[in-house]
Amino acid sequence: SYELTQPLSVSVALGQTARITCGGDNIASKNVHWYQQEPGQAPVVVIYRDNNRPSGIPERFSGSNSRNTATLTISRTQAGDEADYYCQVWDSTTSNWVFGGGTKLTVL
Amino acid sequence: QVQLVQSGAEVKKPGSSVKVSCKASGGALTKYTLSWVRQAPGQGLEWMGRIIPILNTSNYAQKFQDRVTISADKSTSTAYMELSSLRYEDTAVYYCAKDQSAFDIWGQGTLVTVSS
Repeated sequence: SYELTQPLSVSVALGQTARITCGGDNIASKNVHWYQQEPGQAPVVVIYRDNNRPSGIPERFSGSNSRNTATLTISRTQAGDEADYYCQVWDSTTSNWVFGGGTKLTVL
Repeated sequence: QVQLVQSGAEVKKPGSSVKVSCKASGGALTKYTLSWVRQAPGQGLEWMGRIIPILNTSNYAQKFQDRVTISADKSTSTAYMELSSLRYEDTAVYYCAKDQSAFDIWGQGTLVTVSS
């Protein structure tokens, strides 16, 4: 089955750029979605289909997808961006959705 | 705008079953695919399966294939997830989510606690 690998944690200084990676075999051939989850809340999609922002998501959030790594980039990071972030893809081989293990973003 | 409202928290004994509901308001359930995702305490998101109500077809993650049933009542715009043979490790928050490419709308979550 398809697997997605994320770092357990990423730290970033306030106002700097955070990059959260999501590794998978030839992930560039798939559409990657990214979710933000704050404690006690349901996840919220922040990027869909690699690099598209839903309405209401700040332009500071962007995504890219190349070869074996997809990346969520958060520019000008704010304290309110502290959360867990998950990547997700559709595995057409098994007709299953797959989530990465999640990354905890800490803003210093 | 569609909203998904889930049933309340449950406490179940090992070996029993739980059925969680997810009602779609503001739009017919038949328009969407609906997925179920769970999250154990302190853990990540785990996809369980989904249903396409208009086709009345479901597919499941292999891990849950033998224990989960996802169904839908189109007349009430309500989807259901039933998990059987509950184990302590099934203690988790269970979410339904509208599955339209990405999961753009989520229910509020239902805590299921498995305890003797």
